[in-house]
Amino acid sequence: NAGVTQTPKFRILKIGQSMTLQCTQDMNHNYMYWYRQDPGMGLKLIYYSVGAGITDKGEVPNGYNVSRSTTEDFPLRLELAAPSQTSVYFCASSLRDSKDSPLHFGNGTRLTVT
Amino acid sequence: AQTVTQSQPEMSVQEAETVTLSCTYDTSESDYYLFWYKQPPSRQMILVIRQEAYKQQNATENRFSVNFQKAAKSFSLKISDSQLGDAAMYFCAYSTYYGGSQGNLIFGKGTKLSVKP
Repeated sequence: NAGVTQTPKFRILKIGQSMTLQCTQDMNHNYMYWYRQDPGMGLKLIYYSVGAGITDKGEVPNGYNVSRSTTEDFPLRLELAAPSQTSVYFCASSLRDSKDSPLHFGNGTRLTVT
Repeated sequence: AQTVTQSQPEMSVQEAETVTLSCTYDTSESDYYLFWYKQPPSRQMILVIRQEAYKQQNATENRFSVNFQKAAKSFSLKISDSQLGDAAMYFCAYSTYYGGSQGNLIFGKGTKLSVKP
């Protein structure tokens, strides 16, 4: 029972490099989300998806791109890494947008951009 | 814009004692949800308890309960019979829509709870 799986767990990037943070869930959830957590702060929503082929911006989308080609996968792409993107990134999913459908979080990816 | 404020950066409690973590929020909405999440050193975000704003009854989950004061926009978490495993960061969060597809979860900055044996 894997739940939400994020890879990699840690990554160090140089300024200007690109990378994709992977997120997959095996619960057949429709809704998926990407959050970032800066040091000493709560989480902020980057992007979300309500189903395959549908994505939308959250509070802090600049510098990121997402795609949702399947129900299971929701990768987050950083095209030109900047030090301001140093953060812990969390992927989450939920079955529905309802009170009876709690968020399931992955264990996070710690990204450092130097 | 909605905001969530946790005024206690750190709290400490003796094992088996009771501790209350504070949270206030600001919103002009009348229908919303409030949450407490626990984040242990493993980084996993764990839902502790949730409250629907239209419900007057305070939510309870085993040793965890909330004091929801809608008029005062206050949402505190009480942990009874504290255990060593309760040590973690605790985040208060607000959402207009549960799960956040239309809105999103607005988080406070967190309170670090230490439990002394």
